[in-house]
Amino acid sequence: QKEVEQNSGPLSVPEGAIASLNCTYSDRVSQSFFWYRQYSGKSPELIMSIYSNGDKEDGRFTAQLNKASQYVSLLIRDSQPSDSATYLCAVQGNNRLAFGKGNQVVVIP
Amino acid sequence: DAGITQSPRHKVTETGTPVTLRCHQTENHRYMYWYRQDPGHGLRLIHYSYGVKDTDKGEVSDGYSVSRSKTEDFLLTLESATSSQTSVYFCAISDDRGVYNEQFFGPGTRLTVL
Repeated sequence: QKEVEQNSGPLSVPEGAIASLNCTYSDRVSQSFFWYRQYSGKSPELIMSIYSNGDKEDGRFTAQLNKASQYVSLLIRDSQPSDSATYLCAVQGNNRLAFGKGNQVVVIP
Repeated sequence: DAGITQSPRHKVTETGTPVTLRCHQTENHRYMYWYRQDPGHGLRLIHYSYGVKDTDKGEVSDGYSVSRSKTEDFLLTLESATSSQTSVYFCAISDDRGVYNEQFFGPGTRLTVL
């Protein structure tokens, strides 16, 4: 059973600052890693995918993967009020995803 | 948006009644999934399908059954609903032709069992 941990509590960041989210996973054979954004009352929306060690950048988002240490992180640069949401980390193996419980991000104008 | 719809979007039912939720996709994706999302538990996989008539259990499959008779439709049935099945249910789809096999979610169904 894959376990995905997102241990940080709600994260409050000032507008324009960097929000940093971390996720650890237990299954060493995990293949791909994802970050989803979920607004209250809405469905999860895929914002980043990564499967190679290192950094992957897409606009204001950067995903970082370290398979040796079994963690994946998400950086949100120049945070905007529209980034206020819950961010879900997901880890894939055998075409199945295991999700962390999510981290709430609140961007303060 | 990925072409995924769920019906109904909201449902209130009573304990012991059968309930069927429908997921419909227009993307011709091979894989379809049913999740439930509850406070404190996150998203948990109920069942998934890897092709027409091919399904398998997820981590919280007790009390649920599924069927997939066509590529585009995946049904989730609660044979006899219980209050513990009050939840938000999400359908997701993916395809194994890409690098990541990303999953895309439908809008969700909010189910309340009284």
